[in-house]
Amino acid sequence: GDSVTQMEGPVTLSEEAFLTINCTYTATGYPSLFWYVQYPGEGLQLLLKATKADDKGSNKGFEATYRKETTSFHLEKGSVQVSDSAVYFCALSDRNGQNFVFGPGTRLSVLP
Amino acid sequence: EAQVTQNPRYLITVTGKKLTVTCSQNMNHEYMSWYRQDPGLGLRQIYYSMNVEVTDKGDVPEGYKVSRKEKRNFPLILESPSPNQTSLYFCASRPGQGASEAFFGQGTRLTVV
Repeated sequence: GDSVTQMEGPVTLSEEAFLTINCTYTATGYPSLFWYVQYPGEGLQLLLKATKADDKGSNKGFEATYRKETTSFHLEKGSVQVSDSAVYFCALSDRNGQNFVFGPGTRLSVLP
Repeated sequence: EAQVTQNPRYLITVTGKKLTVTCSQNMNHEYMSWYRQDPGLGLRQIYYSMNVEVTDKGDVPEGYKVSRKEKRNFPLILESPSPNQTSLYFCASRPGQGASEAFFGQGTRLTVV
Protein backbone atom coordinates (compact mmCIF):
# COMPACT_ATOMS: atom_id res chain seq x y z
CA GLY A 1 0.00 0.00 0.00
CA ASP A 2 0.88 3.66 -0.05
CA SER A 3 3.44 4.84 2.48
CA VAL A 4 5.47 7.87 3.50
CA THR A 5 8.94 7.82 5.02
CA GLN A 6 10.50 10.77 6.81
CA MET A 7 13.94 11.32 8.25
CA GLU A 8 14.34 10.37 11.87
CA GLY A 9 14.21 13.12 14.42
CA PRO A 10 14.49 14.99 16.56
CA VAL A 11 16.28 17.72 14.66
CA THR A 12 17.89 20.49 16.68
CA LEU A 13 19.14 23.63 14.94
CA SER A 14 20.33 27.07 15.88
CA GLU A 15 18.31 30.08 14.83
CA GLU A 16 18.99 31.15 11.20
CA ALA A 17 20.32 27.72 10.25
CA PHE A 18 19.25 25.97 7.04
CA LEU A 19 16.62 23.26 7.40
CA THR A 20 16.02 20.15 5.34
CA ILE A 21 13.60 17.41 6.34
CA ASN A 22 13.62 14.51 3.92
CA CYS A 23 10.43 12.82 2.77
CA THR A 24 10.00 9.99 0.29
CA TYR A 25 6.86 8.17 -0.66
CA THR A 26 5.57 4.98 -2.22
CA ALA A 27 2.28 5.19 -4.08
CA THR A 28 0.51 3.96 -7.14
CA GLY A 29 -0.34 6.59 -9.67
CA TYR A 30 0.29 10.25 -8.97
CA PRO A 31 -0.61 11.29 -5.45
CA SER A 32 -0.86 14.80 -4.07
CA LEU A 33 1.77 15.62 -1.47
CA PHE A 34 1.51 17.73 1.66
CA TRP A 35 3.50 19.03 4.58
CA TYR A 36 1.62 19.58 7.82
CA VAL A 37 2.94 21.27 10.96
CA GLN A 38 1.85 20.60 14.53
CA TYR A 39 2.73 23.23 17.11
CA PRO A 40 2.76 22.17 20.78
CA GLY A 41 -0.72 21.44 22.08
CA GLU A 42 -2.39 22.07 18.74
CA GLY A 43 -3.84 20.15 15.84
CA LEU A 44 -2.22 19.76 12.45
CA GLN A 45 -2.16 22.69 10.06
CA LEU A 46 -1.42 22.55 6.37
CA LEU A 47 1.95 24.12 5.67
CA LEU A 48 2.19 23.58 1.91
CA LYS A 49 1.17 21.20 -0.84
CA ALA A 50 1.91 20.11 -4.40
CA THR A 51 -0.46 18.26 -6.66
CA LYS A 52 1.69 17.22 -9.63
CA ALA A 53 5.26 16.50 -10.61
CA ASP A 54 7.68 19.46 -10.51
CA ASP A 55 5.20 21.61 -8.59
CA LYS A 56 6.76 23.63 -5.80
CA GLY A 57 4.73 24.35 -2.70
CA SER A 58 5.76 27.27 -0.51
CA ASN A 59 4.55 29.05 2.61
CA LYS A 60 6.09 31.03 5.48
CA GLY A 61 9.57 30.63 3.97
CA PHE A 62 9.23 26.85 3.67
CA GLU A 63 9.47 25.14 0.27
CA ALA A 64 9.12 21.63 -1.10
CA THR A 65 9.27 20.36 -4.69
CA TYR A 66 7.37 17.31 -5.97
CA ARG A 67 10.03 15.07 -7.52
CA LYS A 68 8.44 12.14 -9.32
CA GLU A 69 11.74 10.66 -10.47
CA THR A 70 13.01 10.31 -6.91
CA THR A 71 9.54 10.02 -5.29
CA SER A 72 10.51 12.74 -2.85
CA PHE A 73 9.06 15.90 -1.34
CA HIS A 74 11.79 17.31 0.90
CA LEU A 75 10.97 20.30 3.10
CA GLU A 76 13.45 23.19 3.18
CA LYS A 77 13.79 26.58 4.83
CA GLY A 78 16.71 28.90 4.41
CA SER A 79 16.72 30.43 7.89
CA VAL A 80 14.75 28.87 10.73
CA GLN A 81 13.34 30.76 13.71
CA VAL A 82 12.60 29.68 17.26
CA SER A 83 8.90 29.90 16.37
CA ASP A 84 9.38 27.13 13.78
CA SER A 85 9.85 24.59 16.58
CA ALA A 86 7.16 22.00 15.96
CA VAL A 87 6.51 18.53 14.58
CA TYR A 88 6.40 18.29 10.79
CA PHE A 89 4.47 15.60 8.94
CA CYS A 90 4.80 14.65 5.32
CA ALA A 91 1.62 13.18 3.83
CA LEU A 92 0.12 11.99 0.58
CA SER A 93 -3.36 11.68 -0.80
CA ASP A 94 -4.16 9.26 -3.56
CA ARG A 95 -6.22 10.43 -6.51
CA ASN A 96 -9.35 8.70 -5.28
CA GLY A 97 -9.19 10.61 -2.04
CA GLN A 98 -9.78 7.47 -0.01
CA ASN A 99 -6.26 7.21 1.26
CA PHE A 100 -4.53 10.01 3.17
CA VAL A 101 -1.26 8.64 4.54
CA PHE A 102 1.07 10.37 7.00
CA GLY A 103 4.72 9.89 7.74
CA PRO A 104 5.82 9.41 11.37
CA GLY A 105 6.61 13.08 11.89
CA THR A 106 9.89 14.91 12.55
CA ARG A 107 10.28 17.01 15.67
CA LEU A 108 12.22 20.23 15.07
CA SER A 109 13.69 22.28 17.90
CA VAL A 110 15.23 25.65 17.09
CA LEU A 111 17.48 27.16 19.73
CA PRO A 112 18.07 30.92 20.09
CA GLU B 1 -14.75 30.72 10.85
CA ALA B 2 -14.15 27.41 9.09
CA GLN B 3 -13.22 24.82 11.64
CA VAL B 4 -13.33 21.26 12.90
CA THR B 5 -14.39 21.05 16.54
CA GLN B 6 -13.67 18.12 18.80
CA ASN B 7 -14.89 17.55 22.33
CA PRO B 8 -13.67 16.96 24.88
CA ARG B 9 -10.06 18.13 24.59
CA TYR B 10 -8.97 15.98 27.52
CA LEU B 11 -10.56 12.87 28.99
CA ILE B 12 -9.51 10.41 31.66
CA THR B 13 -11.68 7.32 31.98
CA VAL B 14 -11.62 3.81 33.37
CA THR B 15 -11.38 0.56 31.47
CA GLY B 16 -14.71 -0.60 30.10
CA LYS B 17 -16.66 2.63 30.51
CA LYS B 18 -18.23 3.59 27.19
CA LEU B 19 -17.31 7.01 25.84
CA THR B 20 -17.94 9.18 22.80
CA VAL B 21 -15.70 11.84 21.32
CA THR B 22 -17.64 14.27 19.19
CA CYS B 23 -16.46 15.90 15.97
CA SER B 24 -18.25 18.58 14.02
CA GLN B 25 -17.25 20.57 10.92
CA ASN B 26 -18.88 23.69 9.50
CA MET B 27 -17.43 23.54 5.99
CA ASN B 28 -19.99 21.19 4.40
CA HIS B 29 -17.22 18.69 3.74
CA GLU B 30 -18.17 15.25 2.47
CA TYR B 31 -15.16 13.39 3.76
CA MET B 32 -14.40 12.96 7.47
CA SER B 33 -11.95 10.73 9.29
CA TRP B 34 -10.50 9.86 12.68
CA TYR B 35 -6.82 9.36 13.47
CA ARG B 36 -4.86 8.41 16.51
CA GLN B 37 -1.38 9.77 17.11
CA ASP B 38 1.14 7.75 19.08
CA PRO B 39 4.85 8.46 19.65
CA GLY B 40 7.00 7.03 16.87
CA LEU B 41 3.98 5.88 14.86
CA GLY B 42 2.72 9.16 13.44
CA LEU B 43 -0.98 9.36 12.60
CA ARG B 44 -2.92 6.22 11.86
CA GLN B 45 -6.39 6.28 10.40
CA ILE B 46 -9.10 4.62 12.50
CA TYR B 47 -12.24 5.12 10.40
CA TYR B 48 -13.33 7.36 7.58
CA SER B 49 -16.57 8.43 5.99
CA MET B 50 -17.05 9.57 2.43
CA ASN B 51 -20.58 10.83 2.99
CA VAL B 52 -23.67 10.49 5.18
CA GLU B 53 -24.31 6.86 6.14
CA VAL B 54 -21.09 5.76 4.39
CA THR B 55 -18.28 4.68 6.71
CA ASP B 56 -15.30 2.38 6.31
CA LYS B 57 -12.42 1.01 8.33
CA GLY B 58 -9.01 2.59 8.28
CA ASP B 59 -5.77 0.99 9.39
CA VAL B 60 -6.56 0.52 13.10
CA PRO B 61 -10.35 0.17 13.56
CA GLU B 62 -10.40 -2.47 16.30
CA GLY B 63 -12.16 -1.27 19.45
CA TYR B 64 -13.79 1.74 17.78
CA LYS B 65 -17.12 2.57 16.18
CA VAL B 66 -18.29 5.58 14.23
CA SER B 67 -21.50 6.89 12.75
CA ARG B 68 -22.35 9.51 10.13
CA LYS B 69 -26.00 10.39 10.44
CA GLU B 70 -25.48 14.02 9.47
CA LYS B 71 -22.93 15.54 7.16
CA ARG B 72 -21.39 17.81 9.79
CA ASN B 73 -20.96 15.26 12.63
CA PHE B 74 -18.74 12.20 12.91
CA PRO B 75 -18.54 10.89 16.48
CA LEU B 76 -15.99 8.31 17.59
CA ILE B 77 -17.33 5.71 20.01
CA LEU B 78 -15.30 3.48 22.30
CA GLU B 79 -17.73 0.86 23.58
CA SER B 80 -15.31 -0.69 26.08
CA PRO B 81 -12.11 1.35 26.29
CA SER B 82 -8.85 -0.35 27.19
CA PRO B 83 -5.49 1.13 28.26
CA ASN B 84 -4.00 0.52 24.80
CA GLN B 85 -6.45 3.10 23.48
CA THR B 86 -4.72 5.80 25.48
CA SER B 87 -3.68 8.18 22.75
CA LEU B 88 -4.14 11.57 21.10
CA TYR B 89 -7.08 11.53 18.70
CA PHE B 90 -7.71 13.84 15.77
CA CYS B 91 -10.76 14.32 13.63
CA ALA B 92 -10.29 15.65 10.10
CA SER B 93 -12.49 16.71 7.22
CA ARG B 94 -11.94 17.26 3.49
CA PRO B 95 -14.13 18.66 0.74
CA GLY B 96 -14.13 15.38 -1.19
CA GLN B 97 -12.01 13.17 -3.30
CA GLY B 98 -8.83 14.05 -5.09
CA ALA B 99 -6.16 16.50 -4.10
CA SER B 100 -7.98 18.38 -1.39
CA GLU B 101 -6.17 19.07 1.86
CA ALA B 102 -7.46 17.84 5.20
CA PHE B 103 -8.56 20.18 8.00
CA PHE B 104 -7.91 18.98 11.55
CA GLY B 105 -9.52 19.47 14.91
CA GLN B 106 -7.50 20.45 17.98
CA GLY B 107 -7.23 16.91 19.23
CA THR B 108 -8.55 14.89 22.16
CA ARG B 109 -6.10 13.45 24.63
CA LEU B 110 -7.60 10.28 26.04
CA THR B 111 -6.22 8.36 29.00
CA VAL B 112 -7.72 4.99 29.91
CA VAL B 113 -6.72 3.67 33.33
